[in-house]
Amino acid sequence: DAGITQSPRHKVTETGTPVTLRCHQTENHRYMYWYRQDPGHGLRLIHYSYGVKDTDKGEVSDGYSVSRSKTEDFLLTLESATSSQTSVYFCATGDTLKGTEAFFGQGTRLTVV
Amino acid sequence: AQSVTQLDSQVPVFEEAPVELRCNYSSSVSVYLFWYVQYPNQGLQLLLKYLSGSTLVKGINGFEAEFNKSQTSFHLRKPSVHISDTAEYFCAVPGGGADGLTFGKGTHLIIQP
Repeated sequence: DAGITQSPRHKVTETGTPVTLRCHQTENHRYMYWYRQDPGHGLRLIHYSYGVKDTDKGEVSDGYSVSRSKTEDFLLTLESATSSQTSVYFCATGDTLKGTEAFFGQGTRLTVV
Repeated sequence: AQSVTQLDSQVPVFEEAPVELRCNYSSSVSVYLFWYVQYPNQGLQLLLKYLSGSTLVKGINGFEAEFNKSQTSFHLRKPSVHISDTAEYFCAVPGGGADGLTFGKGTHLIIQP
């Protein structure tokens, strides 16, 4: 299995608080992604990174920010959590742009109350 | 932009019966296609992928898929399902740049004893 670790695995937080989710990889993959998974929507891309300090927005980036200061770590921050951000968050990595397998972490279940 | 449509949100099937999960894609560029599986409370893992060559692609756990360019389809099949195949299945296509994969909304395969 590709070495992708997400932390925490579960979190309950209150509306309005900041939350940071961490993704750590040991594969030295260049590309990293944050997705959220919601019933009826599949997986939707929040942000992605194509190198250290190189990030860009995905389909559903509002209310989220990311940082990548090292190849192995990709952080997702909810600046002020809302109930609509209750979801399961997945980190993924990949080595090339296309034709390559994306490797997924186990997910973080976030509940905003 | 690339997109995929999974035509069925849920497919119930009896154990040992054959199954087909449907996926149609739209793409204006060279096509790479993927099927991922997600078992309960886990991340996604690659079942199979089409990059080029033979249109019949074999994957893990006895699954296969056929790329049909004229029908823009990439349907997933298994001749005889097992209870352990109960999972969510996602079809995916690469995005236009460094933004990873675009996923369908998923098909929940329900195996009935």
